[in-house]
Amino acid sequence: SAVISQKPSRDICQRGTSLTIQCQVDSQVTMMFWYRQQPGQSLTLIATANQGSEATYESGFVIDKFPISRPNLTFSTLTVSNMSPEDSSIYLCSVEGTGFTEAFFGQGTRLTVV
Amino acid sequence: KQEVTQIPAALSVPEGENLVLNCSFTDSAIYNLQWFRQDPGKGLTSLLLIQSSQREQTSGRLNASLDKSSGRSTLYIAASQPGDSATYLCAVDSGGGADGLTFGKGTHLIIQP
Repeated sequence: SAVISQKPSRDICQRGTSLTIQCQVDSQVTMMFWYRQQPGQSLTLIATANQGSEATYESGFVIDKFPISRPNLTFSTLTVSNMSPEDSSIYLCSVEGTGFTEAFFGQGTRLTVV
Repeated sequence: KQEVTQIPAALSVPEGENLVLNCSFTDSAIYNLQWFRQDPGKGLTSLLLIQSSQREQTSGRLNASLDKSSGRSTLYIAASQPGDSATYLCAVDSGGGADGLTFGKGTHLIIQP
């Protein structure tokens, strides 16, 4: 299994600013993913965080808005840039692979943009 | 494109009842299916993982079944308790761990004391 620490757990931000969310895993993992959960909705995949290369974004998500870093096999960051109230969501980090096929999730970051 | 549907969207039952949550998916070419629990404002807790070659998995009072050919899974909760109140999410892995998971919208479950 994997234990994921995600920071911050919540934040209230002004529109037009940026927030960087950190995801730390207690073991090396192959795959790391970032999801968004808008109010009352299910989870939608934003991107796959690739170690040593650019992230792979899903349709509707772009690097300028959601830049992602993955400097090693245990850490990743997601930045939500130039925020608007529509970005108010829960953002979740997930990991899979390297000895297990089960997906594990962090506790999420609840973002409110005012 | 894979789509996952969960029925019902919400369910409220008295404590002690056995209940079934349903999940269906449009593309049967999956690697595995996973059931999660989400408490309000929190992250996801993995409940059960069923590999594509398996028919069911059990953990305590929970039993999940998978019929890949028909694109269906069920989560059976026995002897429900108020602590089971949460949103239950079904998710399928269609990319072998390389493309993330596709989630349903969840079933919001309330167990009345």
